[in-house]
Amino acid sequence: GAGVSQSPRYKVAKRGQDVALRCDPISGHVSLFWYQQALGQGPEFLTYFQNEAQLDKSGLPSDRFFAERPEGSVSTLKIQRTQQEDSAVYLCASSSDRYSNQPQHFGDGTRLSIL
Amino acid sequence: RKEVEQDPGPFNVPEGATVAFNCTYSNSASQSFFWYRQDCRKEPKLLMSVYSSGNEDGRFTAQLNRASQYISLLIRDSKLSDSATYLCVVRADRGSTLGRLYFGRGTQLTVWP
Repeated sequence: GAGVSQSPRYKVAKRGQDVALRCDPISGHVSLFWYQQALGQGPEFLTYFQNEAQLDKSGLPSDRFFAERPEGSVSTLKIQRTQQEDSAVYLCASSSDRYSNQPQHFGDGTRLSIL
Repeated sequence: RKEVEQDPGPFNVPEGATVAFNCTYSNSASQSFFWYRQDCRKEPKLLMSVYSSGNEDGRFTAQLNRASQYISLLIRDSKLSDSATYLCVVRADRGSTLGRLYFGRGTQLTVWP
């Protein structure tokens, strides 16, 4: 497809389990962002990649959160030892590059529920 | 204090009504501003950019007041299909946060027949 693709669409996990969320950006897009959206709130920045380089991870809430984009295309957000407060929608967005004014295109998100 | 403050509403208006949303931002160095629309359980989608001189796209008008650090969105002749959450967004334009989007919490709009 032409858009940003995320999987799984829904994920339910027990507290303490590890989860991995996948993002497939628009082909050729250099910039990739992860955001976390809690219920009733706007998305909050987590981390940013330019190609395979993670240039900003200042938004990651704890060291349980880890993201990678090893080949500069698909990205994975991993959450270790999940907690209930990790329940949220995780959105991935890509753009052609962060220096231009090109808009960020969002995927449908992964809705994560921690029991 | 959040980067972008926005009244969450909800706003409930009849079809054909005019409705306005406002937000304020805290970083006076911000350069790029947007309104995004988010339908229930869907991803945010760009509605329109906001320019200093104000801009219009059909029934939608966006305004920016840099002195007051205030952004607005006006929707005229509301349609049922306008029902959604409207997110005020500021883009970081310099430094290590270049490209990062800062979102308000969103204003929920319901248009009823």
